[in-house]
Amino acid sequence: AQSVTQPDIHITVSEGASLELRCNYSYGATPYLFWYVQSPGQGLQLLLKYFSGDTLVQGIKGFEAEFKRSQSSFNLRKPSVHWSDAAEYFCAVGPLTTDSWGKLQFGAGTQVVVTP
Amino acid sequence: AAGVIQSPRHLIKEKRETATLKCYPIPRHDTVYWYQQGPGQDPQFLISFYEKMQSDKGSIPDRFSAQQFSDYHSELNMSSLELGDSALYFCASSSVGGISGADTQYFGPGTRLTVL
Repeated sequence: AQSVTQPDIHITVSEGASLELRCNYSYGATPYLFWYVQSPGQGLQLLLKYFSGDTLVQGIKGFEAEFKRSQSSFNLRKPSVHWSDAAEYFCAVGPLTTDSWGKLQFGAGTQVVVTP
Repeated sequence: AAGVIQSPRHLIKEKRETATLKCYPIPRHDTVYWYQQGPGQDPQFLISFYEKMQSDKGSIPDRFSAQQFSDYHSELNMSSLELGDSALYFCASSSVGGISGADTQYFGPGTRLTVL
């Protein structure tokens, strides 16, 4: 079955420290990959996306992600975390099938807490 | 830049009542997606429309219906509301016709529905 896994439900990181969020997918072919961030009570904001080409993708707010086909992973990283990065982060993949019209399947999310 | 607009932002209904959620996509976007996010859950795909036609359907209850209008805005109609329908409902829009996963979905702020 196709799936998206975010192994870490909750991560606590000190301000200024580096952050890495894991995302693994299970699909027959390489899907399109996205990272979204959701602040409390807010909508989903796109951080970055991977369709093809360079496997290291730069996004907004200083985030980057690396696609590794051999590991079926698309991990999100930030070198130095700011207090405003505290939020929930969702990895998403699409499309699921050739006739799925681009609907996204989300991972369970990783809650990031930033400590002073 | 213009974003996806959803109204209302908050809605409180009683059981068995009906609710209508509205979504106004980013200008020139032709595809609209609806997602439901329960408390502590990841967003789940409900339904999508491309050029006013339903393009895909997910785990949407029969009590729910939706449509996309000539101006591309969309409405999600929910009848016989149940307590379990309490959730954050997101609308997203994209501009590549929903034909491939290469379209990036931009999310609105969501409508928080509370059923009492």
